[in-house]
Amino acid sequence: AQSVAQPEDQVKVAEGNPLTVKCTYSVSGNPYLFWYVQYPNRGLQFLLKYITGDNLVKGSYGFEAEFNKSQTSFHLKKPSALVSDSALYFCAVHPKADYGGSQGNLIFGKGTKLSVKP
Amino acid sequence: EAGVVQSPRYKIIEKKQPVAFWCNPISGHNTLYWYLQNLGQGPELLIRYENEEAVDDSQLPKDRFSAERLKGVDSTLKIQPAELGDSAVYLCASSPRQGDRGQETQYFGPGTRLLVL
Repeated sequence: AQSVAQPEDQVKVAEGNPLTVKCTYSVSGNPYLFWYVQYPNRGLQFLLKYITGDNLVKGSYGFEAEFNKSQTSFHLKKPSALVSDSALYFCAVHPKADYGGSQGNLIFGKGTKLSVKP
Repeated sequence: EAGVVQSPRYKIIEKKQPVAFWCNPISGHNTLYWYLQNLGQGPELLIRYENEEAVDDSQLPKDRFSAERLKGVDSTLKIQPAELGDSAVYLCASSPRQGDRGQETQYFGPGTRLLVL
């Protein structure tokens, strides 16, 4: 079965320190990869996505993510965390069909709660 | 540009009662999604529309859930009758259909938080 794993329910970092939120996936082929952030009582906000090309993707608010094909991972990173980054982060993948187009629908991980302390 | 609009934001009902959620997508977005988000989980797709056509409703519990997007713009999701287990957040999202849909960013509304007592 196709799935997305976010192995850490919670990540805690101090403000100014680098942060990493992990994501691995079990989907055939090279899917499209996304990160979304959810603030309390808000919908999901798009951060970044990997479609093709450079494995390092830069997104909103200073976030970036690196696609690693061999490890089937797409970890989210930021060099210097802010208190305002505290939120729930979701990794999502969209499977691709053998012919290269997309198939199925977006599959989300369970989310990782990021807490940044002052 | 206005984002995806959902109403109501919160709804409390007793079990066996009907409930409806409304979504207005971003102007020009052909694709509309309804998701269910349980506490501590990621969103799960219920139904996807391309214009007014429901192209994927395989995850929609059709015995009690129904949805419509009559004019290909706004959409309504209904539960009748509601059960205790339906308590969750119902999210609506939209995306423009410009090519390979898997590449498209989905834009989410704030959601409707449903509590069934």
